[in-house]
Amino acid sequence: QVQLVESGGGLVNPGGSLRLSCAASGFTFSDYYMSWVRQAPGKGLEWVSYISSSGSNIYYADSVRGRFTISRDNTKNSLYLQMSSLRGADTAVYYCAREGYSDYEGWFDPWGQGTLVTVSS
Amino acid sequence: DIQMTQSPSSLSASVGDRVTITCRASQGINSFLAWYQQKPGKVPKLLIYAASTLQSGVPSRFSGSGSGTDFTLTISSLQPEDLATYYCQTYNSAPRRAFGQGTKVEVK
Repeated sequence: QVQLVESGGGLVNPGGSLRLSCAASGFTFSDYYMSWVRQAPGKGLEWVSYISSSGSNIYYADSVRGRFTISRDNTKNSLYLQMSSLRGADTAVYYCAREGYSDYEGWFDPWGQGTLVTVSS
Repeated sequence: DIQMTQSPSSLSASVGDRVTITCRASQGINSFLAWYQQKPGKVPKLLIYAASTLQSGVPSRFSGSGSGTDFTLTISSLQPEDLATYYCQTYNSAPRRAFGQGTKVEVK
C-alpha cells in the first residue's frame, strides 16, 4: 500500500540545523509532486515547501524561504527537508505528503505519520 | 498572496444535524480547493478535492461546493465520529499552497 515514513526529527538548539527524510513506498515516487506540511503544537496546518516530480520546480512558504531546502532522490524513493537557522517558531510536527502528477493536482494524499521537531535550548 | 479564511472557527452540533463550513479565498482560485479532516491526535485525511470531488472511501454525507472565492463543506447528517478539525486548502496559486485556519467541529 502507499506509505510515507518520515524520520530525522528531534530536539535542536535555536540556530541549529536538522535534516528530515521521508521514505516512500507503494507507488512510483518519481511520478509525483511532493510537499512538506507542518503543524505547530495546538495550531493549524501550514504548508512549507513543494517539489515537482523531477525536482525542477521548487517553492517555499515565506516563513522558511532562505532557511529550508527541499530535495528528492528518485533513485532512493526519498524526499528530504534540510532545515537551518532554526527558530522556536519552527517547532512543529512535520508531515511529508504526496501530491498529484502536476501543479494542478496539489491536494495532499496520503500523509506520513509526521516527525516532531523541537527547537529549544 | 492568497489568504484562505474559514468560518466559523468552531461549532457544536447534534448527531443528525446538517453542518456547513465555509472557506473564502482572498482572490479567485477557480476550483483548486481541497478539504481535510483531522481527528484529535491523528494525521489529516483528504475528504474532497477540486472543490467537489469526493475522495474514494469518504462517506457520502460529506460534500463540497463552490468555485471562484467561496466554497462550502457540508456534512449532511453529523455522526459522532465526525468530531474533528476541518481545513480547506488551495493549490496552484501564490503561495503555491495555503490552508485555512481550521474549523473545529464538536458533537453535542
